[in-house]
Amino acid sequence: GENVEQHPSTLSVQEGDSAVIKCTYSDSASNYFPWYKQELGKRPQLIIDIRSNVGEKKDQRIAVTLNKTAKHFSLHITETQPEDSAVYFCAASETSYDKVIFGPGTSLSVIP
Amino acid sequence: GAGVSQSPSNKVTEKGKDVELRCDPISGHTALYWYRQSLGQGLEFLIYFQGNSAPDKSGLPSDRFSAERTGGSVSTLTIQRTQQEDSAVYLCASVAGGGQETQYFGPGTRLLVL
Repeated sequence: GENVEQHPSTLSVQEGDSAVIKCTYSDSASNYFPWYKQELGKRPQLIIDIRSNVGEKKDQRIAVTLNKTAKHFSLHITETQPEDSAVYFCAASETSYDKVIFGPGTSLSVIP
Repeated sequence: GAGVSQSPSNKVTEKGKDVELRCDPISGHTALYWYRQSLGQGLEFLIYFQGNSAPDKSGLPSDRFSAERTGGSVSTLTIQRTQQEDSAVYLCASVAGGGQETQYFGPGTRLLVL
């Protein structure tokens, strides 16, 4: 079955700097890759997702890149702000009917 | 519209007792997940319901855990003979399906087993 790894487990950046979180997956058939953000004490929420037919997707300060050959995808946050501090989870699934597999999470701290 | 709701929001029980946790998904959503999250940890998959298919129970940690989804809507997670290590936040998430794959999480039930 699918296995998703995520690095780093913790990340601290200065406000205004960029943050990059990387994930790898094992099942080459996976084609849907969402990212969820979980603020302290709150529920996870989808922030961006990408499908295998594109290599990059952007939404304001957030971007996700996908390398299907290498089976890895990354989340990029530019101009980080304190409110970006949270745990970020990557995930992968094969189709919309398959179970989504989450990575272990990255705790991001943005230092003012 | 209404999001995913869970009840109770907090549950304190004694070791050995049974507990039932309820999840009300978004109306019309075809898929439902249960996860367990210990303090500072990730999302531990428990069980996945997709439409009328047999549920994927591969994440249930022991036979003390079971879940059902009645009428394709409300789901109940039951933990029998609770142990202290069952203490965690239990999250459910619903998915619309039909190509819409976003998981909408409920607020969770915080379970404390004394």
